[in-house]
Amino acid sequence: AQSVTQLGSHVSVSEGALVLLRCNYSSSVPPYLFWYVQYPNQGLQLLLKYTSAATLVKGINGFEAEFKKSETSFHLTKPSAHMSDAAEYFCAVSGISGNTGKLIFGQGTTLQVKP
Amino acid sequence: GAVVSQHPSRVICKSGTSVKIECRSLDFQATTMFWYRQFPKQSLMLMATSNEGSKATYEQGVEKDKFLINHASLTLSTLTVTSAHPEDSSFYICSAIPGQGLGSSGYTFGSGTRLTVV
Repeated sequence: AQSVTQLGSHVSVSEGALVLLRCNYSSSVPPYLFWYVQYPNQGLQLLLKYTSAATLVKGINGFEAEFKKSETSFHLTKPSAHMSDAAEYFCAVSGISGNTGKLIFGQGTTLQVKP
Repeated sequence: GAVVSQHPSRVICKSGTSVKIECRSLDFQATTMFWYRQFPKQSLMLMATSNEGSKATYEQGVEKDKFLINHASLTLSTLTVTSAHPEDSSFYICSAIPGQGLGSSGYTFGSGTRLTVV
């Protein structure tokens, strides 16, 4: 079975500071991993995804994540936070490594950016 | 890129009535669509997996007679909340996978439907 754990339900950073959102996964097969962002009352927007290619994945809005198999982690980072980055972030793993499958979400992390 | 349209974005209904939510893939064919439910300040919980032309597969604990899912075409899946009650009030989100699978655009999400049952 696959599962995802996001460490820290709330993260607060100052504008311009490094953003680090933690995600650890459990999977019995090579996983597909995703990071999504959700703004209030909206759907999910894909930030980036890992699909067994390069371990360092670059996404939109300056975000990137590194797949570390030895640590079963897929942490999301951004060098410099912007006020517009304040949102809810979800890490997710596909239920089946392949073309289709359930997407299993972590609990979510609320990112607060202080001026 | 792949776009999924979800309608309506907000709906208020009276207790005991039924509400239909539509999820359309606008520029691709979606053989598989997923329906999620999200309570305030919580994560997305998968309700069911919908495959075109076949019966939906419901997750454990989800009442299939209450949450009717129809995936009649490669571009449309509908979720009908029957005999809605206040506890059904939630944010419902659909997602779709193109026929080519995750190797292409991957999962695409609709913008969600805020259901309020009064």
